[in-house]
Amino acid sequence: DSGVTQTPKHLITATGQRVTLRCSPRSGDLSVYWYQQSLDQGLQFLIQYYNGEERAKGNILERFSAQQFPDLHSELNLSSLELGDSALYFCASSVGRAGNSPLHFGNGTRLTVT
Amino acid sequence: DQQVKQNSPSLSVQEGRISILNCDYTNSMFDYFLWYKKYPAEGPTFLISISSIKDKNEDGRFTVFLNKSAKHLSLHIVPSQPGDSAVYFCAASAPGGSQGNLIFGKGTKLSVKP
Repeated sequence: DSGVTQTPKHLITATGQRVTLRCSPRSGDLSVYWYQQSLDQGLQFLIQYYNGEERAKGNILERFSAQQFPDLHSELNLSSLELGDSALYFCASSVGRAGNSPLHFGNGTRLTVT
Repeated sequence: DQQVKQNSPSLSVQEGRISILNCDYTNSMFDYFLWYKKYPAEGPTFLISISSIKDKNEDGRFTVFLNKSAKHLSLHIVPSQPGDSAVYFCAASAPGGSQGNLIFGKGTKLSVKP
C-alpha cells in the first residue's frame, strides 16, 4: 500500500461530459503529481502541485485543470470529454522534488469515455 | 520527441537467470534515474534509483548501471523470480523548471517463466 488514495477506481461517462478525479497524498507528502497512461503509452506527466501551488505543467490539455486544497488533497477536472481521453489517470505524491524523492503512486482511476 | 526510450516492449526470462532491462535517454541534463515496477491493476512502485554522479547502484537482487557517455542505463535482476513478472518503467528527472517531474519510458513487460 503506497498510502496514496485515488477515487473513484473506475469511471464511465459520455463524450462532452465533465468528471472529477480525486487524490489523497501520502501523509507528510507536499507534492502531488498527475499522470495519464493511455493504451500502449508510457506515463505522461500532466501537472504537479506543491503545498497548494502549481509547480510544473506537462502535456495537460486546456480542457483539463487541477488544484490542490489546503488539506493537500488534489482534484483533476476533465471537461468536454472526448473518446481519446479514455485512459488510466494516476496520482502520485512525494516529499520533495521528483528526482531525489521517489514518487508514490495510487492505483489509478480508469476513465472510459463512450 | 521521446526523451526516455525503452526499446524492448517485452522480455521473457527463465526463473533463476538474469533479467536485463535497458533504457536510453537523450537529455544530458537528467540528474536522477529511477526504475518503477507495475503490476496489473496497481500503480507503479519505486524499485531503485541512481544519481548521475554514480555508475552503479545495488539493492539486493536489483542493480542499476548507468553509462553517461552512451546515455544508457540498465536494470539487472538476478536471480529472476516469477514474482518479478511485471511492467518495468525507466524514468528520468532533470533539475528545476518544467522538468521538475519524471519523464517515463513506455515500459518493458518482463515475464519470468518457472
